[in-house]
Amino acid sequence: GENVEQHPSTLSVQEGDSAVIKCTYSDSASNYFPWYKQELGKRPQLIIDIRSNVGEKKDQRIAVTLNKTAKHFSLHITETQPEDSAVYFCAGNDMRFGAGTRLTVKP
Amino acid sequence: ETGVTQTPRHLVMGMTNKKSLKCEQHLGHNAMYWYKQSAKKPLELMFVYNFKEQTENNSVPSRFSPECPNSSHLFLHLHTLQPEDSALYLCASSQDSPSDQNIQYFGAGTRLSVL
Repeated sequence: GENVEQHPSTLSVQEGDSAVIKCTYSDSASNYFPWYKQELGKRPQLIIDIRSNVGEKKDQRIAVTLNKTAKHFSLHITETQPEDSAVYFCAGNDMRFGAGTRLTVKP
Repeated sequence: ETGVTQTPRHLVMGMTNKKSLKCEQHLGHNAMYWYKQSAKKPLELMFVYNFKEQTENNSVPSRFSPECPNSSHLFLHLHTLQPEDSALYLCASSQDSPSDQNIQYFGAGTRLSVL
């Protein structure tokens, strides 16, 4: 199956700063790249996804960028807020997930 | 609520017990999944079913036995488990198979403790 690597494993930022999480994938045929957010004690939920025919997608304070040549895609969160604190997962085409990034936003 | 319901929410079992986890989705989806979530491997894919047929078994030990009687229900039968099997077991569903770029909807999970 698809091999997805995610970095960093933990990330701590001050409220208002930006956060960037990166995933690399191995299958050059992959064409769908979702990001899920899992708050403490809750289920993972999709927050944004991108398909291979675009390079960037934005939804308010979150965005995802895709570099097909380098085979990586990144989650960008701007103007972070304490409620952004959670574990974020990327996934590959076959729904195998990265190892997760624990984001902490300090007030 | 996401439309995916898992029962029980918590389960404690001995290594010689047999128990089953249940997942039900009310979304009209055709694909269902079992994941194991632990501190060691945050979201580990176990099984995938598409239109009731198992399409993936991610090298899961035979002490875990899935069953998908219809597109709305998924079970995970457990027997002779080990303490290292203690984890949160998450069920998910999607409209179609993973390769079709579908959003997954997760249940709340079953927290399993094996004594």
